[in-house]
Amino acid sequence: LAKTTQPISMDSYEGQEVNITCSHNNIATNDYITWYQQFPSQGPRFIIQGYKTKVTNEVASLFIPADRKSSTLSLPRVSLSDTAVYYCLVGDYGQNFVFGPGTRLSVLP
Amino acid sequence: SAVISQKPSRDICQRGTSLTIQCQVDSQVTMMFWYRQQPGQSLTLIATANQGSEATYESGFVIDKFPISRPNLTFSTLTVSNMSPEDSSIYLCSYGGGGTEAFFGQGTRLTVV
Repeated sequence: LAKTTQPISMDSYEGQEVNITCSHNNIATNDYITWYQQFPSQGPRFIIQGYKTKVTNEVASLFIPADRKSSTLSLPRVSLSDTAVYYCLVGDYGQNFVFGPGTRLSVLP
Repeated sequence: SAVISQKPSRDICQRGTSLTIQCQVDSQVTMMFWYRQQPGQSLTLIATANQGSEATYESGFVIDKFPISRPNLTFSTLTVSNMSPEDSSIYLCSYGGGGTEAFFGQGTRLTVV
C-alpha cells in the first residue's frame, strides 16, 4: 500500500481557497486517490476521488499531475464549518485503507 | 450506496468486562472493516471481516482480544474483551475503500474505568 505524506495542520480564513497537497511517491498503477473529511465525534466522510488529471464535484476539486506522485485537494471559499481533519488515501479496489495522520484544517473568522 | 449504522454510540465500561459493538449495513457488502481511533489520533485498522471466513487481523491486534463475527453480508460485530483503560477509544466500522468510496459508521466511543 502506498504511503502518503501531507501537512499536519493548516490555517485559513473564511472565504479563502485552501489547497492541501498529499505526496504518494510509491503509488501503484491501479491505485485511486481518495480524500476524506472527519469532524470530531464522527466517522470519516468521502469528499472526492480521482485517478488522474482533474476531478471536480460540488464541494471540492482534486488535481493529479501526470506522474500521479502527488495530489492536491482544493476547497473553494472555505467556511468555519470546513474546520476538520482531511485524509488523503491511496489504494486499489478491494484494498483496505491505511490512514495517515491527516491534515488538521482550522478555518478562522 | 448503503447506509451504515453502528451501536452503541458510546459506553462506559468497567475494566475486565467485554463490550460488543454492532454494525449494520442496509445492503449486502463483501468486506467490512473495523478501525480504532484513539483520542486525537488517526484511524488504525483492526481487522477485515469477510462473511463466511475468519477475520483477518492487522499486526498488533489478536482475535482473543478483538473477536469479530460476520454472520451475513449486512452485519458484523466487534467485541472488545477483558477491557482495560488503554482500550478507551473510538471504534468504527466501515465498508468499501480502495477504488470505491468507503462509508463509515458514526463510531462507538468507549471509556473504560
